[in-house]
Amino acid sequence: GQQVMQIPQYQHVQEGEDFTTYCNSSTTLSNIQWYKQRPGGHPVFLIQLVKSGEVKKQKRLTFQFGEAKKNSSLHITATQTTDVGTYFCAGVFGNAGKSTFGDGTTLTVKP
Amino acid sequence: GAVVSQHPSWVICKSGTSVKIECRSLDFQATTMFWYRQFPKQSLMLMATSNEGSKATYEQGVEKDKFLINHASLTLSTLTVTSAHPEDSSFYICSASLLAGTDTQYFGPGTRLTVL
Repeated sequence: GQQVMQIPQYQHVQEGEDFTTYCNSSTTLSNIQWYKQRPGGHPVFLIQLVKSGEVKKQKRLTFQFGEAKKNSSLHITATQTTDVGTYFCAGVFGNAGKSTFGDGTTLTVKP
Repeated sequence: GAVVSQHPSWVICKSGTSVKIECRSLDFQATTMFWYRQFPKQSLMLMATSNEGSKATYEQGVEKDKFLINHASLTLSTLTVTSAHPEDSSFYICSASLLAGTDTQYFGPGTRLTVL
């Protein structure tokens, strides 16, 4: 089946360091979404990328969608303790009408 | 913003009983609702997609007779776990979307099911 691979599974950083998580698909995606799930919470929508090569920024977060629409990344600049949680990408293949979630990257930030 | 509620937030039941979980979109009409299952420290596993007024589409490996989904209105979907067993214990999360696949999914807070 169609899968979305996400790496790394875990990332431990010192507060102030940068963080990046990557998602890859073997086939072209229609769009990709990013979600954040805090410990004990539920996923919360961050952003959706649709266009090839798209780059979007939300304060310290930068989201990219590859030219071939097969990969995406989320980069956080100068992490803060409030950034802790698991970040999921979710890709949509064609007109599937559903999203396929990556395994998530769990970020811990040491103050 | 769009709010999705789930009820109950947690439930403990005996093996063999059935449990119903409700998912409601509080301030918008959801054309599509999704039901996920999440094991500790793992990703979300899509169980089924439901559209109002039609039968749910189940993912491969998900027993439709065990996990009954009803999407009676544009604001309510229910998941019934029938004849629950301990292996059904999990975190069940619903999400609602205005337009499936190309729009934001708004997640409910989840329901923690424990089957004794």
